[in-house]
Amino acid sequence: DIQMTQSPSSLPASLGERVTISCRASQGISNNLNWYQQKPDGTIKPLIYYTSNLQSGVPSRFSGSGSGTDYSLTISSLEPEDFAMYYCQQDASFPRTFGGGTKLELK
Amino acid sequence: QVTLKESGPGILQPSQTLSLTCTFSGFSLSTYGMGVGWIRQPSGKGLEWLANIWWDDDKYYNPSLKNRLTISKDTSNNQAFLKITNVDTADTATYYCARVHYGYNPWGQGVMVTVSS
Repeated sequence: DIQMTQSPSSLPASLGERVTISCRASQGISNNLNWYQQKPDGTIKPLIYYTSNLQSGVPSRFSGSGSGTDYSLTISSLEPEDFAMYYCQQDASFPRTFGGGTKLELK
Repeated sequence: QVTLKESGPGILQPSQTLSLTCTFSGFSLSTYGMGVGWIRQPSGKGLEWLANIWWDDDKYYNPSLKNRLTISKDTSNNQAFLKITNVDTADTATYYCARVHYGYNPWGQGVMVTVSS
């Protein structure tokens, strides 16, 4: 199985700040990396697919990058609605696996 | 607009079989390339992928639960199903279904399942 390790697990930040969340795979995943946002009510919203492609309707302040085993999600200027949990997920191989999550909190 | 909604028993006892239904609209599981996946999340914990099923009835399971999982579909009624046999308290979680489309997109709202005696 491919293990996905996210860091940090918790990220205190302020409105307007630029933040980056990292995701490392235990082996190369050839850019087959997706990002999701989960709100406290459990709603899960897809953000980015195949490393850097924004899902429809996702604001342009979100961006993704990476290659090989190392990937990242960047939010250029935090808005109030961005404070949530974020998960990465690989679909390079089965079983599909998720990172442990990053909680983006208001500082 | 693509939507998915999960339904389940709410609560069941250890050793019973959990049956979940995902009812969707806006796409067809008889269309080439389409798929549905199941993912679960214990309270306060992360996401665990369970299984995928595709338009051609190809199926993949999480090997950590493989012998207990069965995924299936009813294309006529736009539904996908997941059964988990011999449940125990560790299966208590919110269960999500999602369309397999550039990752999982979109997701249902989730259904909470509690295993308790």
